[in-house]
Amino acid sequence: ELKVEQNPLFLSMQEGKNYTIYCNYSTTSDRLYWYRQDPGKSLESLFVLLSNGAVKQEGRLMASLDTKARLSTLHITAAVHDLSATYFCAVAPGQNFVFGPGTRLSVLP
Amino acid sequence: EAQVTQNPRYLITVTGKKLTVTCSQNMNHEYMSWYRQDPGLGLRQIYYSMNVEVTDKGDVPEGYKVSRKEKRNFPLILESPSPNQTSLYFCASSLYYYNEQFFGPGTRLTVL
Repeated sequence: ELKVEQNPLFLSMQEGKNYTIYCNYSTTSDRLYWYRQDPGKSLESLFVLLSNGAVKQEGRLMASLDTKARLSTLHITAAVHDLSATYFCAVAPGQNFVFGPGTRLSVLP
Repeated sequence: EAQVTQNPRYLITVTGKKLTVTCSQNMNHEYMSWYRQDPGLGLRQIYYSMNVEVTDKGDVPEGYKVSRKEKRNFPLILESPSPNQTSLYFCASSLYYYNEQFFGPGTRLTVL
């Protein structure tokens, strides 16, 4: 059974600081996705990582995938308050998807 | 506007009373899926569909049914709801199974 873990589960950081969220999973998968969810809202797609070594960047967020280590990272650079949200990674070993528990990020002024 | 719609958005019902949550997308997507979201558990996939008439179980299919008779619609059916199915439900779609998914606004279901 595929298990997806995220660390940390809760993250409080100051504006302007850098931090990394980790997503690790228990069985082989070449596809990994990152989503963002604002409180009381639906999910929106951030990144799609489809191969080992894939790196994607959008604004202050950068995601990478290491399939050999079964690890993806979501790096936040110079955080701003607008990045406060819950971030989910999702692993897709086949046509199905397994989500992590989410990392709730609060960016404080 | 490209979107995934779900109805109803909120539903309170009683144990055993059959219900259907509708999901529709206007993006001509092949892949559609249902998830439930519970605190601390993230999203768990209930069922997914690769295309019309093709559906498969996700991680938590017990107590749910789905059908995909048309490409745009993917209803979720609870034949005999129970209190442990109280949850926030999301429908999602993507062009193909490996593309990013677009999520509907969610349906909050309470089963008394």
